[in-house]
Amino acid sequence: NAGVTQTPKFQVLKTGQSMTLQCAQDMNHEYMSWYRQDPGMGLRLIHYSVGAGITDQGEVPNGYNVSRSTTEDFPLRLLSAAPSQTSVYFCASSKGNTYNEQFFGPGTRLTVL
Amino acid sequence: AQSVTQLDSQVPVFEEAPVELRCNYSSSVSVYLFWYVQYPNQGLQLLLKYLSGSTLVESINGFEAEFNKSQTSFHLRKPSVHISDTAEYFCAVSDPNAGNMLTFGGGTRLMVKP
Repeated sequence: NAGVTQTPKFQVLKTGQSMTLQCAQDMNHEYMSWYRQDPGMGLRLIHYSVGAGITDQGEVPNGYNVSRSTTEDFPLRLLSAAPSQTSVYFCASSKGNTYNEQFFGPGTRLTVL
Repeated sequence: AQSVTQLDSQVPVFEEAPVELRCNYSSSVSVYLFWYVQYPNQGLQLLLKYLSGSTLVESINGFEAEFNKSQTSFHLRKPSVHISDTAEYFCAVSDPNAGNMLTFGGGTRLMVKP
């Protein structure tokens, strides 16, 4: 199993550009989520999904969209990039309820100029 | 709303010395508690978790954490650290208002020196 994969690993955008961060898992996990990691702030939840066709907002959803058309994929879209979205983005998945272990991808480092 | 406070942003320690990484949380409901570890340039990995039962939980690599409900703490300890323990450690609680997704503390960078 590849686990949780994320592409790209690195990305530089200009303010106002849009892009999609890809996340896929091959463990048949129902739960998937996106976090952003900023120095001193830990990880903050952006959006999450408890199954295909179901998504909900986390702590910091503004400026991001998600969809979950399949169990395997959970892309994160930046609609109009801003410098405040410069961060490291992690996708995670877990089986059933998240008192089960969450498996994290390797992260995408995004810089917005 | 949940919140997690990790009291130390950095903890330098010499190899083979004991270490404690402190974590306090606030929540109006019962929660599940976790410690995750992030090695350089990697994603997070689960270190240990408390769900219920014994308040002392252990990991396979010698770390342990004790759930203290009265002090709302979940401190992580290791009696003797190794260079390979150098990493960032995150305490987290489950959030029942967000599908039991995790609320993380700010992280503690453990730096083990030879």
